[in-house]
Amino acid sequence: EVQLLESGGGLAQPGGSLRLSCAASGFTFKTYAMSWVRQAPGKGLEWVSVMSGSGGSTYYADSVKGRFTISRDNSRNTLELQINTLTAADTAVYYCAKGSSSWYYFDCWGQGTLVTVSS
Amino acid sequence: EIVLTQSPGTLSLSPGERATLSCRASQSVSSSFLAWYQQKPGQAPRLLIYGASSRATGIPDRFSGSGSGTDFTLTISRLEPEDFAVYYCQQYDSSPRGYTFGQGTKLEIK
Repeated sequence: EVQLLESGGGLAQPGGSLRLSCAASGFTFKTYAMSWVRQAPGKGLEWVSVMSGSGGSTYYADSVKGRFTISRDNSRNTLELQINTLTAADTAVYYCAKGSSSWYYFDCWGQGTLVTVSS
Repeated sequence: EIVLTQSPGTLSLSPGERATLSCRASQSVSSSFLAWYQQKPGQAPRLLIYGASSRATGIPDRFSGSGSGTDFTLTISRLEPEDFAVYYCQQYDSSPRGYTFGQGTKLEIK
């Protein structure tokens, strides 16, 4: 069974940093692109970033480019998201999502981790 | 950037009725690149439909997807109580790689 378990969320100060993690199991992790998708309270879904299975390719939404860094460790089956210079607009539930073999859609999602940015 | 517009914003129907949800793209989208998700309160999204019309594993056949070009539709043939949720369409951009979601349609019990 595919499982994705996010951690690392919490309360952070504006201007601060946070590192989110996603532990994957139940599939050959290194074979699949992995994404982060966020959802602000009461709002819709916003794709944030994707990394290829090998880690050689990364892409970001324009709204986070330059502040967010996606990474993965295929030896530990983990995906991470480094978030710098936090603002209130980054307050959201952050989901880890497994890409399909084609990259076109997300076939499995974690339960999410809540990031709250407030002083 | 392709923008996806979903309509209606909220759909009020009764169990047993048919639901038709629309997703319109600002420019043509390959059918292969169009997916639908269901999200219930407090839960992660769940993949329903991929490739515009293929049901994901375990999805009941009352859910169907159709459409091409700029107009896509998710149809629920006969609503069950557990189908009341928010539905999102999503498209994939191949160059540069990225993804866009529609703003969602809330399907509520009438």
